[in-house]
Amino acid sequence: AQKVTQAQTEISVVEKEDVTLDCVYETRDTTYYLFWYKQPPSGELVFLIRRNSFDEQNEISGRYSWNFQKSTSSFNFTITASQVVDSAVYFCALRGYGGSQGNLIFGKGTKLSVKP
Amino acid sequence: EAGVTQFPSHSVIEKGQTVTLRCDPISGHDNLYWYRRVMGKEIKFLLHFVKESKQDESGMPNNRFLAERTGGTYSTLKVQPAELEDSGVYFCASSQVGGAIIGELFFGEGSRLTVL
Repeated sequence: AQKVTQAQTEISVVEKEDVTLDCVYETRDTTYYLFWYKQPPSGELVFLIRRNSFDEQNEISGRYSWNFQKSTSSFNFTITASQVVDSAVYFCALRGYGGSQGNLIFGKGTKLSVKP
Repeated sequence: EAGVTQFPSHSVIEKGQTVTLRCDPISGHDNLYWYRRVMGKEIKFLLHFVKESKQDESGMPNNRFLAERTGGTYSTLKVQPAELEDSGVYFCASSQVGGAIIGELFFGEGSRLTVL
C-alpha cells in the first residue's frame, strides 16, 4: 500500500525563522514521484515541486529547499527566513509508477502559521 | 488566463437531496481530475477524464456519485442521494498532456459540500 505521513498537523513560527515540514512516504514501487503543494487561504492547491525516485539531489528555489532521502523515505521541505505570506497548508503527495497520471496520494497536510 | 473555476463554492443540502458540482478547467487542458477532502482526512483522488473519456474512476466511492464531461470541456459531479459522509471539499484540477505526467495539476478553489 502507498501512504504519505505528515506528522506535523500545525506549526507556528515567527517571521524570519526557518521552518522544516516533514514528509514520510511508503511505497513498494521502485519508481515513484513525490510532490509538494501549497494551499493558501484562497483554497486552491498550488504546485511547488516534483521529484522522481531516481533523483536524490536536493533542490533549492529561493527561500524554499527540499531534502529527498530514500534511505529514510523522507521528502522534507524547508522554508528559510519565513514570511507571513508563507502561511498556508502544505501537502506532500506521492504517485507510484503504476498510478494513473493524476492519482496522487496526499498526506493530511501541515498548517503553517507565520506570525509577524 | 483564467484558472480552474468551480461552482458553487459552498453548498448546504439535506440528506437525501441531490447536488451537482461544476468544474471549468483551464482552456485547452485535456486532463481533468476530481478529488475530495473529507474533514480531517487526506485529499483523495476520485477520477480522471481525458477529454470526455473517463481514464480512471477507481476513486469514486459508490454509485451515488456520477461524473460527466460532455464535449470534453467542463465537468459535473453529481451526488444523488447525498449522505452525511459526503460532506467535504471537492477539488477539481486540470492539466495539459505533459503537465499530467509531471504532476503539475492546476487546482480550483474547491466546492465545499455540507450535508445536514
